[in-house]
Amino acid sequence: AQSVTQLGSHVSVSEGALVLLRCNYSSSVPPYLFWYVQYPNQGLQLLLKYTSAATLVKGINGFEAEFKKSETSFHLTKPSAHMSDAAEYFCAVSEPGGSQGNLIFGKGTKLSVKP
Amino acid sequence: EAGVAQSPRYKIIEKRQSVAFWCNPISGHATLYWYQQILGQGPKLLIQFQNNGVVDDSQLPKDRFSAERLKGVDSTLKIQPAKLEDSAVYLCASSFLPAYEQYFGPGTRLTVT
Repeated sequence: AQSVTQLGSHVSVSEGALVLLRCNYSSSVPPYLFWYVQYPNQGLQLLLKYTSAATLVKGINGFEAEFKKSETSFHLTKPSAHMSDAAEYFCAVSEPGGSQGNLIFGKGTKLSVKP
Repeated sequence: EAGVAQSPRYKIIEKRQSVAFWCNPISGHATLYWYQQILGQGPKLLIQFQNNGVVDDSQLPKDRFSAERLKGVDSTLKIQPAKLEDSAVYLCASSFLPAYEQYFGPGTRLTVT
């Protein structure tokens, strides 16, 4: 069965500092991987996705993530945090080729950005 | 392009009462999902529709939850009777087809007292 583990339920960084949000997955087949962002009282918005093409994936708002099969990881990074990045971030996995496209989400990491 | 619409945004009910949530997906999206997001957790899929047929409802507590998608457009999720543990945000998402990008609505926050 597929699963996602996000290390750290809460991460705090200073404005301008590197953002690193960790995600490890478990899957019997090479998965599709996603990062979503959720602002307070809003739905989820797709930041980026990995679908077996380039292992370094660039997303919106300056975020990127690298798929590392050997480490079963898909960590999210941004070189310089902005106050507007404060939100909750969810990593998700789905099985490629499946007709359903079901997403399995991690528990989320809340990012705080200090001025 | 209009996004996924959900109503109501907030609902407070007492346990054992019933409640219904409504979702209007993005026009042309054949696939519709309902997720339950309990505080401190990631969303969990409750049910997936393809047009007006159910693709996956394996995690839907069918003794109290029901959902329908008449005419393959709008969808309604119902809980009857509600329990305290049903307090959560209920998210609706839609996609053009399964495995395509899912677009999420703002959610309905349900509090059961």
